[in-house]
Amino acid sequence: GAVVSQHPSRVICKSGTSVKIECRSLDFQATTMFWYRQFPKQSLMLMATSNEGSKATYEQGVEKDKFLINHASLTLSTLTVTSAHPEDSSFYICSAIAEPPSREQYFGPGTRLTVT
Amino acid sequence: GENVEQHPSTLSVQEGDSAVIKCTYSDSASNYFPWYKQELGKRPQLIIDIRSNVGEKKDQRIAVTLNKTAKHFSLHITETQPEDSAVYFCAAIWSNDYKLSFGAGTTVTVRA
Repeated sequence: GAVVSQHPSRVICKSGTSVKIECRSLDFQATTMFWYRQFPKQSLMLMATSNEGSKATYEQGVEKDKFLINHASLTLSTLTVTSAHPEDSSFYICSAIAEPPSREQYFGPGTRLTVT
Repeated sequence: GENVEQHPSTLSVQEGDSAVIKCTYSDSASNYFPWYKQELGKRPQLIIDIRSNVGEKKDQRIAVTLNKTAKHFSLHITETQPEDSAVYFCAAIWSNDYKLSFGAGTTVTVRA
């Protein structure tokens, strides 16, 4: 149980375009999801916390107007990278909490974004 | 926010030997400490976790110890095998919510 999927797994886009990444909890409802970014050979850095039915909470240094997060249902959160630039190329991973107060986060398989 | 430091950054061990990775954290309110294994291009996989009311936890060849007073926790892998080669991350829950702060990672290489 507790499976999280992401789509697409890989995407290549041109500089200046926008890309949407979906994160779905397949067999549970997730009131809270998280979005991380991971550059090569580095750790996971939390970008934002996505709460169903409310605005996302962004970490310091993450531009909310550039990384749009929508959590419209208990099983889906989306991250849209707007006006993407080559420096946005990274591995984006989402996670979800299945049953608070359980602290375990279930991770999606990640999306490799390459901006040319 | 929570600051998690992890050492060493790389670790090479002979197959069959033990591997130890150490982490420290800054937020004394942290109460959940998971360890993840990540293979190249894949998602992090939870391998073991420990909560603050426990000092040690073991699962087959993997064990984790927690010293709340010193604010450090360690991962121990015994009888290492080539398939244990991966990047390992420690993490700690940050503040009173569910946010995870990750260590910088340890690249473990098990030599056959």
